[in-house]
Amino acid sequence: AQKITQTQPGMFVQEKEAVTLDCTYDTSDPSYGLFWYKQPSSGEMIFLIYQGSYDQQNATEGRYSLNFQKARKSANLVISASQLGDSAMYFCAMREEHRGGSNYKLTFGKGTLLTVNP
Amino acid sequence: DGGITQSPKYLFRKEGQNVTLSCEQNLNHDAMYWYRQDPGQGLRLIYYSQIVNDFQKGDIAEGYSVSREKKESFPLTVTSAQKNPTAFYLCASSIGTGSMTDTQYFGPGTRLTVL
Repeated sequence: AQKITQTQPGMFVQEKEAVTLDCTYDTSDPSYGLFWYKQPSSGEMIFLIYQGSYDQQNATEGRYSLNFQKARKSANLVISASQLGDSAMYFCAMREEHRGGSNYKLTFGKGTLLTVNP
Repeated sequence: DGGITQSPKYLFRKEGQNVTLSCEQNLNHDAMYWYRQDPGQGLRLIYYSQIVNDFQKGDIAEGYSVSREKKESFPLTVTSAQKNPTAFYLCASSIGTGSMTDTQYFGPGTRLTVL
């Protein structure tokens, strides 16, 4: 089974509107972290936002916020006031905690291509 | 400016040749990583290193080798044993605390094409 599922291969949004990118995850570990990255056409992965499994509040970073629903195992990224420069691939990733210590591995979803229309 | 550099940006290789991809960071990070990305796919972990002179295999290590002789450098060699090496390769680094919040930061990537 896939650990990270991004069901939207592509999304379109009008400039200045908000958009939600879906991410569901699968883990039996009580401690885990969820990350969102942006990948423009240049290829570099840009870190956007982090949500820990024990965080009581949804994470926010500027125009990015994370709609974290732990019981549903979803961590959707919300981008407010979309800009043309937001057009890119967006990846959701998860880190799970190994028994007895840390885990350096990130597991990535397949991504969602967001296109912002003027 | 602190950051991660990868070179070259584009690399072409003939079948049967080994090739080494460079990754350097000046962020004073302990941990470094190599990922592979294929078209329409997410990233898959090849190797990672938590400290100098130590590294571990990731999910797809076969046909690849690494070294970590210096904190700043983590070169990846794609050997002739790698059956399908054409891909986009991304290097990353993190502070290396191993905590859930230990964020990985990425370089610009190297696109390898086997001719």
